[in-house]
Amino acid sequence: DAKTTQPPSMDCAEGRAANLPCNHSTISGNEYVYWYRQIHSQGPQYIIHGLKNNETNEMASLIITEDRKSSTLILPHATLRDTAVYYCIVRVERGNKLVFGAGTILRVKS
Amino acid sequence: DGGITQSPKYLFRKEGQNVTLSCEQNLNHDAMYWYRQDPGQGLRLIYYSQIVNDFQKGDIAEGYSVSREKKESFPLTVTSAQKNPTAFYLCASSISGVAGELFFGEGSRLTVL
Repeated sequence: DAKTTQPPSMDCAEGRAANLPCNHSTISGNEYVYWYRQIHSQGPQYIIHGLKNNETNEMASLIITEDRKSSTLILPHATLRDTAVYYCIVRVERGNKLVFGAGTILRVKS
Repeated sequence: DGGITQSPKYLFRKEGQNVTLSCEQNLNHDAMYWYRQDPGQGLRLIYYSQIVNDFQKGDIAEGYSVSREKKESFPLTVTSAQKNPTAFYLCASSISGVAGELFFGEGSRLTVL
């Protein structure tokens, strides 16, 4: 599975959009981009995933660049409850496992 | 409600003792996983099972053992051979073949004294 690079931490004001970047320059054509988040001392929660088209669901939007070497997770109106570690993972959709890196600590501040 | 239940939530053990962590799911998922998380680190895969009576080692299987006798259960034993067992342990499940969307339990925090 391709390796990802994320900033270690980011701050965001409550009510503003949080834009979390992820670099995956070695991604293969059949690898998807997945995002999970983990609130302190809880199990990770699935957010969204995509292959090459932008995706949106009730939690977030995923923007993938045309060359697929990077992506951005967007939380449109961040709340204090969005404070968490956000993991970007790339993998083959029907593979056997997910490899989690250190992620980005997002702090939403009032 | 459907979900994954891990127990116990907190566990203290003396060095040299084996410990078994429970993981039960009622989501009818075929695949189940065990991850370990150390402070400030990401998750590392210990073992995974895609079907009953079958399981594979992950990246850090040494010192751990598992069984998958029932679809809904995937217990993890932390043996005395695990050199640094104090950690946060997470169990997850997924529909077989679509491992990207994992559903996680709340975790078990093991402290070895």
